[in-house]
Amino acid sequence: GEDVEQSLFLSVREGDSSVINCTYTDSSSTYLYWYKQEPGAGLQLLTYIFSNMDMKQDQRLTVLLNKKDKHLSLRIADTQTGDSAIYFCAESIPAGANNLFFGTGTRLTVIP
Amino acid sequence: NAGVMQNPRHLVRRRGQEARLRCSPMKGHSHVYWYRQLPEEGLKFMVYLQKENIIDESGMPKERFSAEFPKEGPSILRIQQVVRGDSAAYFCASSPSGGNTEAFFGQGTRLTVV
Repeated sequence: GEDVEQSLFLSVREGDSSVINCTYTDSSSTYLYWYKQEPGAGLQLLTYIFSNMDMKQDQRLTVLLNKKDKHLSLRIADTQTGDSAIYFCAESIPAGANNLFFGTGTRLTVIP
Repeated sequence: NAGVMQNPRHLVRRRGQEARLRCSPMKGHSHVYWYRQLPEEGLKFMVYLQKENIIDESGMPKERFSAEFPKEGPSILRIQQVVRGDSAAYFCASSPSGGNTEAFFGQGTRLTVV
């Protein structure tokens, strides 16, 4: 089945950039997503990228997609303590367009 | 426009009891998805429903789990005869159509089976 992999933990200092990485196995992905989950809360959609794009920028967030290597990254510029959360990568594929396949999440800790 | 509302936020059940989780989609949304998040794991798709129809239940366990989305009222995820392994966070998402780019998630129901 579809496999979405993320590293479990990342720590950065406040003001630095954070880069969260994700790899996936299904080359037929249509959209790839980044969600943020704060403690005790639901998932907030941060951004998404269509599979025919290489990059998408939205304020402090930059998404890079390397379709050849099936690698997705989320860069957060000027990371703030409020960015501390778990970040999930997810993909949708044509065969399973009704649902998303999530990675295990990367816990980002921002050190003041 | 309130977001996706799930209740209860926390639910404790003894083994063998039934758990009923409710999800009220955003206004104007007729598509509902249920996901389960086990501790330290990502979300796993369970079921996709439209009003009065189950469209895709490929992620639902074969026994004890059922879901409905009636014409009126919230979507219900029902777990009969709960076991410890059912302890998880259950998230509901809704969208106005079948597109995942427009899916909004609720805050989840955390089920603990004791």
